[in-house]
Amino acid sequence: AQRVTQPEKLLSVFKGAPVELKCNYSYSGSPELFWYVQYSRQRLQLLLRHISRESIKGFTADLNKGETSFHLKKPFAQEEDSAMYYCALSGPSNAGGTSYGKLTFGQGTILTVHP
Amino acid sequence: GAVVSQHPSRVICKSGTSVKIECRSLDFQATTMFWYRQFPKQSLMLMATSNEGSKATYEQGVEKDKFLINHASLTLSTLTVTSAHPEDSSFYICSARAERGWTYEQYFGPGTRLTVT
Repeated sequence: AQRVTQPEKLLSVFKGAPVELKCNYSYSGSPELFWYVQYSRQRLQLLLRHISRESIKGFTADLNKGETSFHLKKPFAQEEDSAMYYCALSGPSNAGGTSYGKLTFGQGTILTVHP
Repeated sequence: GAVVSQHPSRVICKSGTSVKIECRSLDFQATTMFWYRQFPKQSLMLMATSNEGSKATYEQGVEKDKFLINHASLTLSTLTVTSAHPEDSSFYICSARAERGWTYEQYFGPGTRLTVT
């Protein structure tokens, strides 16, 4: 069974401090990992995905298959980063089938960046 | 960018009645849409995968006769909560999958707040 674990429900940092949101997963195979963000009163939106290897809004995440982790990091947090962050997992996009791509979400971490 | 809408944004209904929630992809076609449920301060739980032109695939523990899903076109999926009860009160979110070359991306709707009295 696939599972995503975000151990921290709440995370508070001060502006300019580094931030790391933890995510661990279990999956038998090669999953795709994502980070989604939900700002206050807004819909869920994709922040980044491991296959893109991009840095979005200063955030990066590296897939560590040995530790089955996909932690989200930013060296200098900003107040506008305050939001709910979800780590999510799906089967590989080349798996095919009509239901591939369905996401399993972690419990979410509420990040608060204080001024 | 791709936009997904949901209607209504919030609905209040009496116990025993049915309520329909619509999910539309506004500027792209989606052969696959997903329906999630979110309890307060909790994660999103996938309820079912909605496939255009075929039956929905429900996750374990989700009653297919209670949560009827119809994906009649490439831009519309509907979720009908039949004989609603107070325990069905929740935030329902849909997403639509868009193909992006060799991969895909999911776009989420704003959600529908259902309250059953």
